Amino acid sequence: NAGVTQTPKFQVLKTGQSMTLQCAQDMNHEYMSWYRQDPGMGLRLIHYSVGAGITDQGEVPNGYNVSRSTTEDFPLRLLSAAPSQTSVYFCASSYDSLGAYNEQFFGPGTRLTVL
Amino acid sequence: AQSVTQPDIHITVSEGASLELRCNYSYGATPYLFWYVQSPGQGLQLLLKYFSGDTLVQGIKGFEAEFKRSQSSFNLRKPSVHWSDAAEYFCAVLNDYKLSFGAGTTVTVRA
Repeated sequence: NAGVTQTPKFQVLKTGQSMTLQCAQDMNHEYMSWYRQDPGMGLRLIHYSVGAGITDQGEVPNGYNVSRSTTEDFPLRLLSAAPSQTSVYFCASSYDSLGAYNEQFFGPGTRLTVL
Repeated sequence: AQSVTQPDIHITVSEGASLELRCNYSYGATPYLFWYVQSPGQGLQLLLKYFSGDTLVQGIKGFEAEFKRSQSSFNLRKPSVHWSDAAEYFCAVLNDYKLSFGAGTTVTVRA
């Protein structure tokens, strides 16, 4: 199993550009989530999904969109990048729809810089 | 909403010495609590979790944590640290199927 994979590892954008951060897992996990990590703030939940076709907002959803068309993939879209979105982004997955009750497996992260 | 606080931003400990990382939570009922570790350049890995029952929880890599309701704390401990324990440690609480993380404590291990 590859576990949770994220692409790209690094990305530099200009303000106003759009992009999609990819996340995939091959563990047949129902629950997937996106976090951003900023210095001194820990990880903050952006969006999460309890299964294909079901998504919900986390703590800091503004400026981000998600969809879950398959169990395996959970892409995060930045529609119009802003410097405040400069961060490290982590995708995570858990076994079932109770998600965080179980261990979350984290991807290696994507470091995004918005100029 | 539930939240966790990690009072120590940075701790330096000698190899072989004991380590204790503090975590305080705010919640009225019994919280679901976690400790994660993040090695440099890596994602997070679960060390241990507490849902109910025995208040002393054993985890991986020789770590343990104790839930103390009277002090609203869930401190992480290791009796003897190894150089490979240098990392950032996060306490987290479950809030309506979502994890809320503390700001993290960075541990430096000196030889």
